[in-house]
Amino acid sequence: DQQVKQNSPSLSVQEGRISILNCDYTNSMFDYFLWYKKYPAEGPTFLISISSIKDKNEDGRFTVFLNKSAKHLSLHIVPSQPGDSAVYFCAASLQGAQKLVFGQGTRLTINP
Amino acid sequence: DTAVSQTPKYLVTQMGNDKSIKCEQNLGHDTMYWYKQDSKKFLKIMFSYNNKELIINETVPNRFSPKSPDKAHLNLHINSLELGDSAVYFCASSQIAGVYGYTFGSGTRLTVV
Repeated sequence: DQQVKQNSPSLSVQEGRISILNCDYTNSMFDYFLWYKKYPAEGPTFLISISSIKDKNEDGRFTVFLNKSAKHLSLHIVPSQPGDSAVYFCAASLQGAQKLVFGQGTRLTINP
Repeated sequence: DTAVSQTPKYLVTQMGNDKSIKCEQNLGHDTMYWYKQDSKKFLKIMFSYNNKELIINETVPNRFSPKSPDKAHLNLHINSLELGDSAVYFCASSQIAGVYGYTFGSGTRLTVV
């Protein structure tokens, strides 16, 4: 029973354009959402997060949008750069559950 | 360097063997985790320790036994390895369990042959 899903295993975007990565979740009790970025042979690194009381959080080129009614969040990267090529994981936490639940990741490739 | 470090990075072993993966964090975090990235690429929690105390034990075979000698270390011992144990295992730590994100180690790729 996967509570967090990323339905696109891969995404290819032209350098300079917008990258949009999507994530769906099933548990309406999740109260915090995070995005992680992972390069090959490295562990995931924290990128950006959003609380369930907000619908948008921005940090430089990265913006996360949360649509609670649709149980959907997305990560926008503008403009996309070659160094953004990585696997991106969506994760969610439930207060008191003491763990993060991860999706299966989306491989983003930025083409020059 | 402040980090979560886990060793070894690669581990190839035969079925039936016993092996250990070590993890250390020098971030002063109270909580440490073991996650498994399975063949479908999901990162799934296996165990969580808070100040040396086990707080999460997901549905993991008894062959997997975590050990936390102190809050900076969380080791994973696996007995009687099976082919299906082949995966990438990530150690992580956080200041508050389940919140504000984790700092991950670089992973251990375990291959059972």
